[in-house]
Amino acid sequence: GAVVSQHPSRVICKSGTSVKIECRSLDFQATTMFWYRQFPKQSLMLMATSNEGSKATYEQGVEKDKFLINHASLTLSTLTVTSAHPEDSSFYICSVGLQSSYNEQFFGPGTRLTVL
Amino acid sequence: DQQVKQNSPSLSVQEGRISILNCDYTNSMFDYFLWYKKYPAEGPTFLISISSIKDKNEDGRFTVFLNKSAKHLSLHIVPSQPGDSAVYFCAAAFQGGSEKLVFGKGTKLTVNP
Repeated sequence: GAVVSQHPSRVICKSGTSVKIECRSLDFQATTMFWYRQFPKQSLMLMATSNEGSKATYEQGVEKDKFLINHASLTLSTLTVTSAHPEDSSFYICSVGLQSSYNEQFFGPGTRLTVL
Repeated sequence: DQQVKQNSPSLSVQEGRISILNCDYTNSMFDYFLWYKKYPAEGPTFLISISSIKDKNEDGRFTVFLNKSAKHLSLHIVPSQPGDSAVYFCAAAFQGGSEKLVFGKGTKLTVNP
């Protein structure tokens, strides 16, 4: 598998500020990473697919100007929530795809974002 | 429109007994299915998977069954242990496709000692 870390694990910010979440693949060079969001008692919803060296692919309904994704290296992808609002409060999780035919993804521990 | 459905939000089982978690899907193009386990405030961890060319895959206490005609899969855990208490997510994918996973809403399993 792959070991994935996220930083920070928990962040509280004021409405209107921007928050950056880092996702690192510690033992695998990941050309593809995924960003998910999970609201309480809801499923993991894919927000975007992060591609190293190119633009991220966003899912329908996800604002690309609000959720900025940068995948500058094979081990790091960042998600920046710009001008955060209370409704952006959620659990954000990244994952690494191993690009095998088996679609297995290995997830980071998640980041709890609370916007006041 | 939810393509992967886990209709039971919760399940409670006695330690040592069998836990059966169910999952239904609507898109017949899905050809690979995965189960993930998630503890609170943690990311999901991969448990077991099955390709659509099989109808059963077993790994220790965990067995996944796939019924393609019914578009239904189930995860059996036997014997259940208190440490199995977690939320279990079913996910579906197109093998060799874009690597995107479609998740169900999860079933919270509680195994009572």
